[in-house]
Amino acid sequence: EAGVAQSPRYKIIEKRQSVAFWCNPISGHATLYWYQQILGQGPKLLIQFQNNGVVDDSQLPKDRFSAERLKGVDSTLKIQPAKLEDSAVYLCASSLERIPGANVLTFGAGSRLTVL
Amino acid sequence: RKEVEQDPGPFNVPEGATVAFNCTYSNSASQSFFWYRQDCRKEPKLLMSVYSSGNEDGRFTAQLNRASQYISLLIRDSKLSDSATYLCVVLARGGADGLTFGKGTHLIIQP
Repeated sequence: EAGVAQSPRYKIIEKRQSVAFWCNPISGHATLYWYQQILGQGPKLLIQFQNNGVVDDSQLPKDRFSAERLKGVDSTLKIQPAKLEDSAVYLCASSLERIPGANVLTFGAGSRLTVL
Repeated sequence: RKEVEQDPGPFNVPEGATVAFNCTYSNSASQSFFWYRQDCRKEPKLLMSVYSSGNEDGRFTAQLNRASQYISLLIRDSKLSDSATYLCVVLARGGADGLTFGKGTHLIIQP
């Protein structure tokens, strides 16, 4: 089965610029997550979708971050304007069920963002 | 107190040795527990779930202590390929939130 696809793999921008990341989950996986992983830290949940609805976005910095999953499949995460502290790997993950404990979370390879 | 706490290491261990590390969690209502493995510059991958009765998968043994709120991972007969960061992952009761990851423990197996 194809894995979770993410693009771009790497992105370098200057602060105050904008960037968008794209994720295509495993076919049939209803739940999609975006995690932020800063160097030396564990992944931190930014937003969780169930189909095209948001389940949890409590840790998403909504003044600059936005995410959508319009048709319940692909998702886009946008940062505008970017800050230096946004430098991180943005990991997309998907699971078959809403409750992650019921199924394995499969991660994509990540999008590494460097903000200069 | 952090939600999920791990000793970041690194743990430098000779090949063939046994190594164990713990992870503590603060939310007593947590219901599911996992160990994920993350290789350098790669994405996390599920290593094993942690069940109340403890579970074993080959050289790996995971245990849960609800009273003391910690989980452990034991690796026997360690291999060079076991070198990685091991992430402790906890799911709160209800599952409305995503999984909460620890910072990870960095393990280096030396020849």
